[in-house]
Amino acid sequence: NAGVTQTPKFQVLKTGQSMTLQCAQDMNHNSMYWYRQDPGMGLRLIYYSASEGTTDKGEVPNGYNVSRLNKREFSLRLESAAPSQTSVYFCASRAGLAGYNEQFFGPGTRLTVL
Amino acid sequence: QQQVKQSPQSLIVQKGGISIINCAYENTAFDYFPWYQQFPGKGPALLIAIRPDVSEKKEGRFTISFNKSAKQFSLHIMDSQPGDSATYFCAAIREHKLTFGKGTLLTVNP
Repeated sequence: NAGVTQTPKFQVLKTGQSMTLQCAQDMNHNSMYWYRQDPGMGLRLIYYSASEGTTDKGEVPNGYNVSRLNKREFSLRLESAAPSQTSVYFCASRAGLAGYNEQFFGPGTRLTVL
Repeated sequence: QQQVKQSPQSLIVQKGGISIINCAYENTAFDYFPWYQQFPGKGPALLIAIRPDVSEKKEGRFTISFNKSAKQFSLHIMDSQPGDSATYFCAAIREHKLTFGKGTLLTVNP
């Protein structure tokens, strides 16, 4: 049982390049989330998928797109990377939408945009 | 508009001491309040959480105190240990979405 896995662990891009961050969970969770973490800013929600087949914008969605490929996988795409997108990206999942459902986080992807 | 304010930004405590981290929220629609612990290079992990109709919750050395009227809640770490050195985030949940505080870097000196 690996929990939430993310690939890659590290990535360096040049401005304007595109890439997709991959996330998968093996806990049969319905809901999945993408966050970014910047120094002194906490974690901010980029996009989420409350259930398979649905996606919605979070607090900071500009410059990103997502795909809920199936119940296990939720990917985050940067179409044209900008230096402001340098951050650590975390994927998370939870079983249901009730507040008491624990949200489990992956190990993160550290992205640098030059 | 920062909906969850966390203080202090950093905290240094001696081994065996009490660590206290405070959070305040603005939106009364929040309905669950978790604390997360994050070690360097790792993702956050749930430490302890509380419902707004409970004033205190204790799990081992970790206690959440919740003051609904003041819209404040705090994490107390008793008998702090060097292994507790990490970044701690408070959060508030509304409609299954988490709003995080900016984090507190706790250092426990041996």
